[in-house]
Amino acid sequence: EVQLVESGGGLVQPGGSLRLSCAASGFSFSAYAMSWVRQAPEKGLEWVSGTVDDGGRTYYADSVKGRFTISRDNSKNTLYLQMNSLRAEDTAVYYCAKVGPDGDYEMQWGQGTLVTVSS
Amino acid sequence: DIVMTQSPDSLAVSLGERATIDCKSGQSVLYSSNNKNYLAWYQQKPGQPPKLLIYWASTRESGVPDRFSGSGSGTDFTLTISSLQAEDVAVYYCQQYYNTPYTFGQGTKLEIK
Repeated sequence: EVQLVESGGGLVQPGGSLRLSCAASGFSFSAYAMSWVRQAPEKGLEWVSGTVDDGGRTYYADSVKGRFTISRDNSKNTLYLQMNSLRAEDTAVYYCAKVGPDGDYEMQWGQGTLVTVSS
Repeated sequence: DIVMTQSPDSLAVSLGERATIDCKSGQSVLYSSNNKNYLAWYQQKPGQPPKLLIYWASTRESGVPDRFSGSGSGTDFTLTISSLQAEDVAVYYCQQYYNTPYTFGQGTKLEIK
């Protein structure tokens, strides 16, 4: 069974940093692209970032480009999202997702971790 | 960025009746070299993460009931629930994965009438 477990969320002040982790199990992690999608309170879904199976290419939403960095450690079956220069508008539940084998749709999702940016 | 627009924003349908949600993309998401539409549909129930229903505009994900179907091509797409069940109450999102940044529609809230 595929499991994606996010961690690392919490309360952080504006301008601060946070690193999210997503521990994957139940599938061959190194064979799949992965992504992060967020959802602000009572709002819709926003794709944040994605990376290919070996981490060699990464992609970002304009709203986080230059501030967030996606990475992965295939030896640890873990996906990361380093978030710097956080803003109030980054407050959201952050989901990690396993991307489809033949296209960049989000095939399976974790339960999410809440990031709150507030003073 | 490709803008995705869903209609309606909310919808109330009687149990057993058909529900239809539309999604329009700001540019075509049909890739001519493989004739595939880079369009997915997700269902999100309260307090849960989204769940993939449909990809490639019309391919149903494994385990998704066959009352869910997707159609359309180019810029205009539709998610149809042929006979609404109580467990289908949720917010539904379309997403294009043709170009990064991948973008979602604003969501359609489906309720029972």
